[in-house]
Amino acid sequence: DGGITQSPKYLFRKEGQNVTLSCEQNLNHDAMYWYRQDPGQGLRLIYYSQIVNDFQKGDIAEGYSVSREKKESFPLTVTSAQKNPTAFYLCASSIVAGVTYNEQFFGPGTRLTVL
Amino acid sequence: AQKVTQAQTEISVVEKEDVTLDCVYETRDTTYYLFWYKQPPSGELVFLIRRNSFDEQNEISGRYSWNFQKSTSSFNFTITASQVVDSAVYFCALSLYDKVIFGPGTSLSVIP
Repeated sequence: DGGITQSPKYLFRKEGQNVTLSCEQNLNHDAMYWYRQDPGQGLRLIYYSQIVNDFQKGDIAEGYSVSREKKESFPLTVTSAQKNPTAFYLCASSIVAGVTYNEQFFGPGTRLTVL
Repeated sequence: AQKVTQAQTEISVVEKEDVTLDCVYETRDTTYYLFWYKQPPSGELVFLIRRNSFDEQNEISGRYSWNFQKSTSSFNFTITASQVVDSAVYFCALSLYDKVIFGPGTSLSVIP
């Protein structure tokens, strides 16, 4: 079955540690996205990538980093510079970026908690 | 400004009642798409519908229907005869040429 997988489902981090969230898709989509979801605030875009080895900052990129070495994979690193990282993180993909009618396909999310 | 507003934060209905989720958007672009997504407790957003800015025809899919009115910049979603499985957070989204803007979501609880 085609889809998006995210791991782990739950992640606990101590303050000052970097952590990496995994996102893999087998939909052969060019574009991938990372969103952060906080209660009552909807989804906010962290980073997106339209093609391998290329990515752009979203609205709240500070304290995060990404890589796109393979089409299928778009890992997100939450660095110690992110002041309030506790949130639900969603990865998504779409066939191509910049096409307004393409829906996004979402993974099941990773819930990150800073202890 | 480009923005999506979902004024209803939480709604509770009794099973079999009809419920309408409101969505109001702001954009000066003339070409855009509007989407609705459902987020069940499992967390994964699921695509429900898309509507382009030039098509104001309402759509019905089973118990779901959508009413798009450009004059009021609204794209409302109605569930007829609600069921417990409809309990979820519903997001309205505005897709522009360079970004997708999500509303804050409406949490719907359907009580048996």
